[in-house]
Amino acid sequence: AQTVTQSQPEMSVQEAETVTLSCTYDTSESDYYLFWYKQPPSRQMILVIRQEAYKQQNATENRFSVNFQKAAKSFSLKISDSQLGDAAMYFCAYRSPDLTGNQFYFGTGTSLTVIP
Amino acid sequence: DVKVTQSSRYLVKRTGEKVFLECVQDMDHENMFWYRQDPGLGLRLIYFSYDVKMKEKGDIPEGYSVSREKKERFSLILESASTNQTSMYLCASTTPTGVSYNEQFFGPGTRLTVL
Repeated sequence: AQTVTQSQPEMSVQEAETVTLSCTYDTSESDYYLFWYKQPPSRQMILVIRQEAYKQQNATENRFSVNFQKAAKSFSLKISDSQLGDAAMYFCAYRSPDLTGNQFYFGTGTSLTVIP
Repeated sequence: DVKVTQSSRYLVKRTGEKVFLECVQDMDHENMFWYRQDPGLGLRLIYFSYDVKMKEKGDIPEGYSVSREKKERFSLILESASTNQTSMYLCASTTPTGVSYNEQFFGPGTRLTVL
């Protein structure tokens, strides 16, 4: 089974600054999907950004961008101009292209604190 | 907007009780999932279903069962609740691989406490 590792259980950032959350994964597949999800306190998990492995260009969504390094099996999330509303648990996830499995693999999460 | 709903946000049950957690999605998704979320452990897959009446065990199926009689509804059953099943339970749905918007959509979660 694929494994996803988030080595930073907790991170903090000053409001308006930039922070990078790291994620690495282990796979032997060449094509797959990667996601970052955000789970605010007591609120629903929502998608932040996604990346298809066959695309070399890093995905960007407003203040959120990724640094996808396929050879290194690394998928970090950069949050620019951090806002108080960015405080949440962030999960990195991997999806296999296996049509029969359709399983997602999640990291253990990084809790992000935004300091005013 | 895709909507995934769960029957309860908070639930308190006693040891030995049979517990039903229900999940409904309104986007005609084929795949549905039940996860358990515990601090420091991330999300762990209990069961998933890729079609009506079809189910596959995930990483931690012991003590749980599931039912999918209709495409939009996926139920998680704790046959005899135990205190170590106190946790946050998340339901999710998605389309099969290769279809656009292939991320999972999550419900709000059910915080289950077993006394």
